[in-house]
Order: sequence, then structure tokens, then C-alpha cells
Amino acid sequence: GESVGLHLPTLSVQEGDNSIINCAYSNSASDYFIWYKQESGKGPQFIIDIRSNMDKRQGQRVTVLLNKTVKHLSLQIAATQPGDSAVYFCAETFNDYKLSFGAGTTVTVRA
Amino acid sequence: GAVVSQHPSWVICKSGTSVKIECRSLDFQATTMFWYRQFPKQSLMLMATSNEGSKATYEQGVEKDKFLINHASLTLSTLTVTSAHPEDSSFYICSAPTESTNEKLFFGSGTQLSVL
Repeated sequence: GESVGLHLPTLSVQEGDNSIINCAYSNSASDYFIWYKQESGKGPQFIIDIRSNMDKRQGQRVTVLLNKTVKHLSLQIAATQPGDSAVYFCAETFNDYKLSFGAGTTVTVRA
Repeated sequence: GAVVSQHPSWVICKSGTSVKIECRSLDFQATTMFWYRQFPKQSLMLMATSNEGSKATYEQGVEKDKFLINHASLTLSTLTVTSAHPEDSSFYICSAPTESTNEKLFFGSGTQLSVL
């Protein structure tokens, strides 16, 4: 089913500031989580993933945090840039790649 | 890296006609592919799982006779929207998993279908 998150449908952030996007997932059995970025008219673009045996993973300018106790996932973007403006989705899956997507958060970066 | 190619990028058709969307894995084999539908300002909703050499598995509420899926080879899955109506207008996206890279799942670029 669809994961409905503790998220803000929209997030406005000043260029250079850090962004935090939140998501709550519904299936406690989910073992793999992915954050995607989607620009208008395009398919989802992989940002970062994390497996359930981890609670933090870092990439280039991005960090994903996983709290299995409260079934919460967050994406942190450091030094947000105008090119980061997009819709961000969290997705979860258990034991396969049939993803269940969250509702999405629209991030707008102010110059 | 692994790439999933989806065609066409957009299509406009008359009500009652059928439209075929192709999803190809370009440099890897995909025994499974997934088809999603996304309405404006909404999330992606899984429609069906395409299985090479066997019948597709449809999610609850998705009409299998309406959305025909064929996965005839290890690199190609097609979704045919039959007798399309305006309410079928949506953004359709395919994806395919691969174990060969750090990124495990690749998405096509999507097909915007507009039914007049």
C-alpha cells in the first residue's frame, strides 16, 4: 500500500541552507528504503538508499536517517542549491523491488 | 551504468484507441519490470509487475483487460492501454531491478499519455 508520511507537502528553503525532508512508512517489515528526486515530466531519479540494518547513510551532500522504532525516514540535503528544486519521494519495499511510494514533498529553493 | 529506456515520451490519442508503451533494459536483463501510474501532483502508484515469460501480476483495482502487459523478452516489457478514455490520461513509468550495480532499481523517463 501507499506510505503516508509525516511530511510537509511543500518545503521552501534558502539557497545554501540545509533541507530536511521527512517520511513515515507504514510497513514494519520493509527492509529497503530509497529516496528519489523527480523533476517535472521526468521519471524518478535515485538519490540514496538504506537497508534496515543501518540507521544512517551518507552520500554526496545527502544523508538518509532511518528510525525503525517509529518507522521514520528522513533525507537531509546539505547546502541546498537551485538544482535541488524538485519533488522528493521516499519509497519502501520488503524483499523485492516492488516499491510503495510516499506522497512526496515539493522542495523550492529560494535564491 | 544500467539504463531503462521508455518510449514514447508522450502520446496524444483519441478516445477509444489503444496505445502501446515500451520499456527496455538497455544493458542488462530484466526478468521483472514494474509499471507505475502517476496522476498530476500525486505519487507513483504501482499498477502491475511484469514477468518475463509468464503473466503479469496486477495490483488490486487495476483492470488487467484494460492494461495489457507483455514481457516477451528479457529486455522488453510493453504496456498497452486498450480503448483509452480521458480518465486514463496520466504519466506512466516503468522500472527494472538489477543486481549488477549499487543502485538496484532503474526507472524509465516516463510516458505522458493524453487521451482526447
